[in-house]
Amino acid sequence: AQKITQTQPGMFVQEKEAVTLDCTYDTSDQSYGLFWYKQPSSGEMIFLIYQGSYDEQNATEGRYSLNFQKARKSANLVISASQLGDSAMYFCAMREGGTTDSWGKLQFGAGTQVVVTP
Amino acid sequence: ETGVTQTPRHLVMGMTNKKSLKCEQHLGHNAMYWYKQSAKKPLELMFVYSLEERVENNSVPSRFSPECPNSSHLFLHLHTLQPEDSALYLCASSQVYSAGTGSYGYTFGSGTRLTVV
Repeated sequence: AQKITQTQPGMFVQEKEAVTLDCTYDTSDQSYGLFWYKQPSSGEMIFLIYQGSYDEQNATEGRYSLNFQKARKSANLVISASQLGDSAMYFCAMREGGTTDSWGKLQFGAGTQVVVTP
Repeated sequence: ETGVTQTPRHLVMGMTNKKSLKCEQHLGHNAMYWYKQSAKKPLELMFVYSLEERVENNSVPSRFSPECPNSSHLFLHLHTLQPEDSALYLCASSQVYSAGTGSYGYTFGSGTRLTVV
């Protein structure tokens, strides 16, 4: 069963606007971590932001913030003040369980293609 | 060099060829991973090595053979591949066994784009 769901296959956003990318997850573990990655057309996976399941504050990294709603099992990424260079594929991922159980492996959603327009 | 380096960046091979993908990490991590990214599909975990021991093999066909000679290097040996194996192959590393529930420094390489003809 799919553990990470990204319902938006693609989005257009105007430069300088904010955009929210949706991510819901499914786990029965109490300890887990949520990641967002950016993948430009070159293929590399660029780490953006991380949220641990026990973190009480929403994670922020520069223009990226993660809207973590634990009860709803959602971890939406907000990109503020979009730039043309933000055009890329964005993936939500989850690491379940303790390290010895999951070996740190990640499960990925299908991704959201973001296109920033001038 | 820092980070995770993958070579080659692009590879075209025939179905009867044997080739290898290389991954090198300079982050002092103790776990390394191979992922496959096919068009229009989520990333799929192929193999996990922790402390140089293979700890997971996600039902990957035997034509893919991983090797982890030390904690800094990971190879994916390829032989008699099929056209459907054409994909982006991504290597990653992380620091498991860290205290807490952190991100473990999970870092990806730039990938090898493989085309099987």
